[in-house]
Amino acid sequence: GQQVMQIPQYQHVQEGEDFTTYCNSSTTLSNIQWYKQRPGGHPVFLIQLVKSGEVKKQKRLTFQFGEAKKNSSLHITATQTTDVGTYFCAGNNNDMRFGAGTRLTVKP
Amino acid sequence: DAMVIQNPRYQVTQFGKPVTLSCSQTLNHNVMYWYQQKSSQAPKLLFHYYDKDFNNEADTPDNFQSRRPNTSFCFLDIRSPGLGDAAMYLCATSRDHGLVGKLFFGSGTQLSVL
Repeated sequence: GQQVMQIPQYQHVQEGEDFTTYCNSSTTLSNIQWYKQRPGGHPVFLIQLVKSGEVKKQKRLTFQFGEAKKNSSLHITATQTTDVGTYFCAGNNNDMRFGAGTRLTVKP
Repeated sequence: DAMVIQNPRYQVTQFGKPVTLSCSQTLNHNVMYWYQQKSSQAPKLLFHYYDKDFNNEADTPDNFQSRRPNTSFCFLDIRSPGLGDAAMYLCATSRDHGLVGKLFFGSGTQLSVL
């Protein structure tokens, strides 16, 4: 069945440094979504990527979808303490399968 | 305005004692999902309903059942909870599969098994 792998598992950065998390699917996806889960909270939708090679930006966040629609990345420029949380990718092929998540901590 | 509502926020049950978790939605979405999330892990899909069609994941234990009596409500029944079933249970909805499959999550029910 479909598997979604995500790395790294943890990332600790100094405030102001950049951060990237990578997601890779074993199968071609119809789309991929990214979610953020704050400690003690529930996953909150960030963005959906649909097209091969698509790039989307949300302020300091840049999302990419690979040409083969099997991998994706989330890049945060100049992290802030408010970016703390776990970032999940979720691959969509008629059901949503989550990657393991990358837990981001930011040192002020 | 809460759109996906899960009650209770915290649930304590005893080993082997059946427990039911509830989820309701005001979005009129076709799809409702149940995920299990253990500490520091990704949400794991247990099953989902597309309208009235039930879709069980192959590795979901028989101990877990679900009911969707109408569009708005979905229940997760754990027939005989074990210690390993202690987790956060997240309900989510989406309007449809595919391109409109954005998930809206409830706040979750944290289940403890004593």
